[in-house]
Amino acid sequence: AQSVTQPDIHITVSEGASLELRCNYSYGATPYLFWYVQSPGQGLQLLLKYFSGDTLVQGIKGFEAEFKRSQSSFNLRKPSVHWSDAAEYFCAVAFNNAGNMLTFGGGTRLMVKP
Amino acid sequence: ETGVTQTPRHLVMGMTNKKSLKCEQHLGHNAMYWYKQSAKKPLELMFVYNFKEQTENNSVPSRFSPECPNSSHLFLHLHTLQPEDSALYLCASSQLRGTGELFFGEGSRLTVL
Repeated sequence: AQSVTQPDIHITVSEGASLELRCNYSYGATPYLFWYVQSPGQGLQLLLKYFSGDTLVQGIKGFEAEFKRSQSSFNLRKPSVHWSDAAEYFCAVAFNNAGNMLTFGGGTRLMVKP
Repeated sequence: ETGVTQTPRHLVMGMTNKKSLKCEQHLGHNAMYWYKQSAKKPLELMFVYNFKEQTENNSVPSRFSPECPNSSHLFLHLHTLQPEDSALYLCASSQLRGTGELFFGEGSRLTVL
């Protein structure tokens, strides 16, 4: 069955440190890939997306993600985390054989230490 | 206005009340969605409407009743809810047969007493 996995439920990093949030999916073809961010009590905001082409995509707020076909992964990275990045991050995948309905991972809650 | 707007942002209701959540999108999309987000649980897709027709109902209890009068508006009518229905209800829209990208509203925080 098609699925999306975010292995880390919680991550804590120090302000200024680098960040990598993991996302893996199970699917035979290349899907469309997304990362969303959610601040407490708010809706989900799109950070970045991958459809095709360059496997390293840039997003808003200094985030980037790299699609690795061989690993079925789409990890989110940021070189230097700011306190305002504390939020919940969701990886989402649109499987082409499911009408491109989004399947969401369970989310990773990021906490930033001063 | 642009984007997806949800009202009210906060709602407190008793178990015998009837209330409605409203969602409006100004993006020209033709698909709209209701999601439920409870504490410490994954996002749950509740309903999907494509061109005003309901195409998905993920075994949602009948105390939640959706309505989609046109492609821009989506309602969630609530009646005789339970305390475990307290959650953040998110509305989203997308372009049908597009890339699947969803545009979300800010959510309606529902508390059932």
